[in-house]
Amino acid sequence: AQSVTQLGSHVSVSEGALVLLRCNYSSSVPPYLFWYVQYPNQGLQLLLKYTSAATLVKGINGFEAEFKKSETSFHLTKPSAHMSDAAEYFCAVSDKGEGRDDKIIFGKGTRLHILP
Amino acid sequence: NAGVTQTPKFQVLKTGQSMTLQCAQDMNHEYMSWYRQDPGMGLRLIHYSVGAGITDQGEVPNGYNVSRSTTEDFPLRLLSAAPSQTSVYFCASSYPGTAGGEETQYFGPGTRLLVL
Repeated sequence: AQSVTQLGSHVSVSEGALVLLRCNYSSSVPPYLFWYVQYPNQGLQLLLKYTSAATLVKGINGFEAEFKKSETSFHLTKPSAHMSDAAEYFCAVSDKGEGRDDKIIFGKGTRLHILP
Repeated sequence: NAGVTQTPKFQVLKTGQSMTLQCAQDMNHEYMSWYRQDPGMGLRLIHYSVGAGITDQGEVPNGYNVSRSTTEDFPLRLLSAAPSQTSVYFCASSYPGTAGGEETQYFGPGTRLLVL
């Protein structure tokens, strides 16, 4: 069964500092992996996704994530945080290939706080 | 395109009342789903549909009904509201007929429901 673990329900970084949001997955088959962002009082929108092409995936707003199979990780990074990055971030996983279920599994989310 | 729309934005119910949360999309997506979002719980799948006339249960279906008579609409019905159903509800859609695989999900803005 698929699962996603996001380490840290809250992360605080200073404006201009590196952003690192951690995500580890569990999947019995090669996965597709996603990061979604939710700004206050809005729905989720896709930041980036890994679909087995390049392991380093670039997304919107300067974010990127690297798929590391050996570590079963898909951490999200941004070199320099901006105040507008304050939001909740969700990592998600879905199956590909045989045995794939019609669902995507979300992590519990990490709220990113940006300190001035 | 309006994308995924949800109505109402906010609703207060008394225990035992019924209501329908509306969801519509104009992207001709086959897959639609309903999630609830609770603090510290991430998004949990309630029901989903892979096409008109086809629905299935997700992780937390009890107390909710759905139907899919058209591609565009996917209403969620609360038959007898309970305080435990106080939550934020999100509708999402994707193309083609599955949210597994690499398909991006598009989310509505959400409905905040308070059950007293």
